[in-house]
Order: sequence, then C-alpha cells, then structure tokens
Amino acid sequence: KNQVEQSPQSLIILEGKNCTLQCNYTVSPFSNLRWYKQDTGRGPVSLTIMTFSENTKSNGRYTATLDADTKQSSLHITASQLSDSASYICVVSPSGNTGKLIFGQGTTLQVKP
Amino acid sequence: EPEVTQTPSHQVTQMGQEVILRCVPISNHLYFYWYRQILGQKVEFLVSFYNNEISEKSEIFDDQFSVERPDGSNFTLKIRSTKLEDSAMYFCASSAPGYTFGSGTRLTVV
Repeated sequence: KNQVEQSPQSLIILEGKNCTLQCNYTVSPFSNLRWYKQDTGRGPVSLTIMTFSENTKSNGRYTATLDADTKQSSLHITASQLSDSASYICVVSPSGNTGKLIFGQGTTLQVKP
Repeated sequence: EPEVTQTPSHQVTQMGQEVILRCVPISNHLYFYWYRQILGQKVEFLVSFYNNEISEKSEIFDDQFSVERPDGSNFTLKIRSTKLEDSAMYFCASSAPGYTFGSGTRLTVV
C-alpha cells in the first residue's frame, strides 16, 4: 500500500536553532516528492518539489534531501523563526497522469522564543 | 500571485442535508482536485478532474459525492445526505502541473 510516514510527530525547538524532519515512503513508482507547510486551519503551501533524480533542493532556509534508493527524505530548517511554527508535511505524487498526492501525517513544529 | 479561492470558509449543516462547496481554480490550470482533512488526521485525496471528467477517485468518494465544473470557472463538490463523519476541512487544488491549494472550507455536520 502506498504510504508516507513522518517523524517525529511533534518537535519543540528554540528560536534560532536548526532542525531536521524525516520522511519515509513506500510509494513506487513515484513522480515527485514535495514538502508543504500548513498553518492551522489553512491550506498547504509548497516549500520544495523534487523529482526522483534530484538529491537536494533548497528554498531559503529550507533544504530538502531525497534518497530514492532508501525511499527517505528530510527537510532541514535553518535558523528557525517563530513564524516557522506549523505542520510540515511530506507528500508523494505517484507516477501517472492524474496528479493525485499522497500525504504524510505531518510533523508539528513549535518554535519558542 | 494567483490563488485558488474557496467559499464558504465555514459551513454548518444539519445531518442529512446536502451541501455544495465551491472553488475557483487558477484560470489557466487544467487539473482540479478535492482533498479532505478530518481534524487531527492527514490530508486525504478525494477526486481529480480533468477535461470535464473525473480522472481518478478514492474509495472515500462514493455515490454521496459528486463534482462539477458548471461554468468554466467554478469547480464544485456536492455532498448529499451529509453524515457526522463528513465533518472535515475540504481543500480544493488546481495544477498545470504546479499545485496550488485553496484555504479550505471547514464543514461541520451537526
């Protein structure tokens, strides 16, 4: 069954610190892997998109990595800010032309001053 | 930046009633989607829509649900005979193929 699992479930860090979120997936074959940020009660907002041939992708203080052999991805957040407090969701798009996305359950990040 | 617009932002309905959730996708996008997120759970795919027909639907998307693009700009999700367990955030998205999500409609069935 196509699944996306994330760890940790939640994380608390101090403002200015770095953190790394993990994602394991069983979706195969897949078209791309995405990381989204979701604020409470809002829609997901895209942070990074990587195809199976890409190893890393950066977007400002966010850096995503992908190991397609081990089916693992990570999202590294540098110099965290209070506004980074949100849910971070790993999302995989299976191959095919319907565009369906399979979501992980997310990691809830809380950045404290 | 172009947005996907969803209305209403909140909807409360009596169990057994029909609801229509509305979405205005980004104008040059060709693929349209509905997802739902039950409180505290992951976002789940409901249906994808392309070229005026459903291209894929999940097992959640049974006969209770239907989608329509009535006028070339709006994209609607109709839920017939709502149940308590239909209470969730419903997200519309469009892609071309870059994906953009709307802010969601919070549906509460009482």
